[in-house]
Amino acid sequence: SQQGEEDPQALSIQEGENATMNCSYKTSINNLQWYRQNSGRGLVHLILIRSNEREKHSGRLRVTLDTSKKSSSLLITASRAADTASYFCATALNSGNTPLVFGKGTRLSVIA
Amino acid sequence: EPEVTQTPSHQVTQMGQEVILRCVPISNHLYFYWYRQILGQKVEFLVSFYNNEISEKSEIFDDQFSVERPDGSNFTLKIRSTKLEDSAMYFCASSPGLAFADTQYFGPGTRLTVL
Repeated sequence: SQQGEEDPQALSIQEGENATMNCSYKTSINNLQWYRQNSGRGLVHLILIRSNEREKHSGRLRVTLDTSKKSSSLLITASRAADTASYFCATALNSGNTPLVFGKGTRLSVIA
Repeated sequence: EPEVTQTPSHQVTQMGQEVILRCVPISNHLYFYWYRQILGQKVEFLVSFYNNEISEKSEIFDDQFSVERPDGSNFTLKIRSTKLEDSAMYFCASSPGLAFADTQYFGPGTRLTVL
């Protein structure tokens, strides 16, 4: 089953604009995490939001979680060229050491 | 800030050869993971490891794969007889606590190319 699915698949914006990426999932979760991946590189953890949280901020990042709709969004404000990367959501289920389940990612291009 | 490190960054091997990918997790973390990402595809879970035992593994993690924590710092993934379809980026991750509660921190990855 497809757990985390991001949309859009690709997003191209001008520097200074805001970028919004969405993630939908199917099963109950304990937390949802967003990661960034620069081309061909490792995964950088951005933010973790727990199922009892609705919104979280970290610098220019704002993440929301709607457990009733099983969806999350990542907003990057005042984007920069350096934000160009792929962004993935990953969900952790409710118990144990079950692994993170990643979506396919949104490829963000910020044009200077 | 502590980081997960992985070596080598790129490994090229012939089909049928054994490879060992190495990882040094963050020192006070207790849970370790391997994931892989075939080019252009999703990051997929392979195996999780805790207290010197495999705690979870996926269907991908068949008898050709094994993991080991040979000492107090290293965590290795061995592929006994590589296949072309094993070509992928392999990521090691570690977390201080259980996956459902804690952030997993990923290493920079090892790109494995099987010829």
